[in-house]
Amino acid sequence: QKEVEQNSGPLSVPEGAIASLNCTYSDRGSQSFFWYRQYSGKSPELIMSIYSNGDKEDGRFTAQLNKASQYVSLLIRDSQPSDSATYLCAVTFRVDSSYKLIFGSGTRLLVRP
Amino acid sequence: DTEVTQTPKHLVMGMTNKKSLKCEQHMGHRAMYWYKQKAKKPPELMFVYSYEKLSINESVPSRFSPECPNSSLLNLHLHALQPEDSALYLCASSRVATGVTEAFFGQGTRLTVV
Repeated sequence: QKEVEQNSGPLSVPEGAIASLNCTYSDRGSQSFFWYRQYSGKSPELIMSIYSNGDKEDGRFTAQLNKASQYVSLLIRDSQPSDSATYLCAVTFRVDSSYKLIFGSGTRLLVRP
Repeated sequence: DTEVTQTPKHLVMGMTNKKSLKCEQHMGHRAMYWYKQKAKKPPELMFVYSYEKLSINESVPSRFSPECPNSSLLNLHLHALQPEDSALYLCASSRVATGVTEAFFGQGTRLTVV
């Protein structure tokens, strides 16, 4: 069974703080890892992708990948109230000659003004 | 441009109705996906199309019938649905259905079965 695990939260941080979101996955062979943001009633929006071990930074967002530990994280610096949303970790799993993109249950982030 | 367009945005249908959801992308992507999302749950994969061929069916009931008429279009035909099928139906596309490409979602169709 291919699984992606996240803490459901809510994770509550004050405005301006760093929010740290974590994700683990079950398949050691997975190659592609994504973070999506989903506001209530809206569709998921891709915010970060990461494919190799280490850190990847894009503006206030940093994705971190550790394949040996099967662990992905997302850091949001200088958190803003507008960052309040559910953050979905997604991982690709190979199935025969095709791939599935499987989502974790999501972590709800609340940024307090 | 990372736009995936879904129509309609909202749909109410009776249990004996037949309806279709439509998804369109013009990014040249060759993989397209249907997901179902219930309230406060993550998106759940239903179907994957790769190069217009069905490559993954996640044991979805036959009352949901996907169709990929060409590389830009993806349909989901609905027939004899149950109230528990009410959900947000999301279409996504990616450059190819390999393990290394990003998937972009449409805005979804909110389906209510009465």
